[in-house]
Amino acid sequence: AQSVAQPEDQVNVAEGNPLTVKCTYSVSGNPYLFWYVQYPNRGLQFLLKYITGDNLVKGSYGFEAEFNKSQTSFHLKKPSALVSDSALYFCAVRDPSAGNNRKLIWGLGTSLAVNP
Amino acid sequence: NAGVMQNPRHLVRRRGQEARLRCSPMKGHSHVYWYRQLPEEGLKFMVYLQKENIIDESGMPKERFSAEFPKEGPSILRIQQVVRGDSAAYFCASSLGGANTGELFFGEGSRLTVL
Repeated sequence: AQSVAQPEDQVNVAEGNPLTVKCTYSVSGNPYLFWYVQYPNRGLQFLLKYITGDNLVKGSYGFEAEFNKSQTSFHLKKPSALVSDSALYFCAVRDPSAGNNRKLIWGLGTSLAVNP
Repeated sequence: NAGVMQNPRHLVRRRGQEARLRCSPMKGHSHVYWYRQLPEEGLKFMVYLQKENIIDESGMPKERFSAEFPKEGPSILRIQQVVRGDSAAYFCASSLGGANTGELFFGEGSRLTVL
């Protein structure tokens, strides 16, 4: 069955330090992978996606993610965290072999807290 | 170009009343998705619609919940005879018809409180 796992409910990091938010997936085909961010009392915003090509994907607000096929992972990273990065982060995957159903499979989210 | 518009942003209902949540997708988008979010449960898919068609309603409760996306006007998520357990944030998202890359654009959500 298709699934996405975000193994950490919460990640705490000091401002200025690098951050990583983990995501692993399980799909039958080659995945399309996404990261979204949700600030308090707001809707989700798209950060970045991997469809094909270079395994390192750069996105909004200085975030990047690395697709690792052998480890079935798509971890979100940022070299230097900001307090304003504190938010809820969601990983999602779509199996393009699933036909016309464009439903994404979502992780449960990871709460990132960046401490000043 | 306006984003996904949801209204009302906040809705309070008493048990047994009806709740209607509206979603206008981004201009040019013909695919609409509804999600429910509870603090400890993450984002739960409810239903996926295209104009005048329900494509996937596998996440919708079998009773009291319905959704539509008419040819003209916004998509509507309707909850009849609300119960306290329906209290949640409901998010609508849209995507460009024909695109295969799955990027969704979300509204700000409608927060339903059932008293």
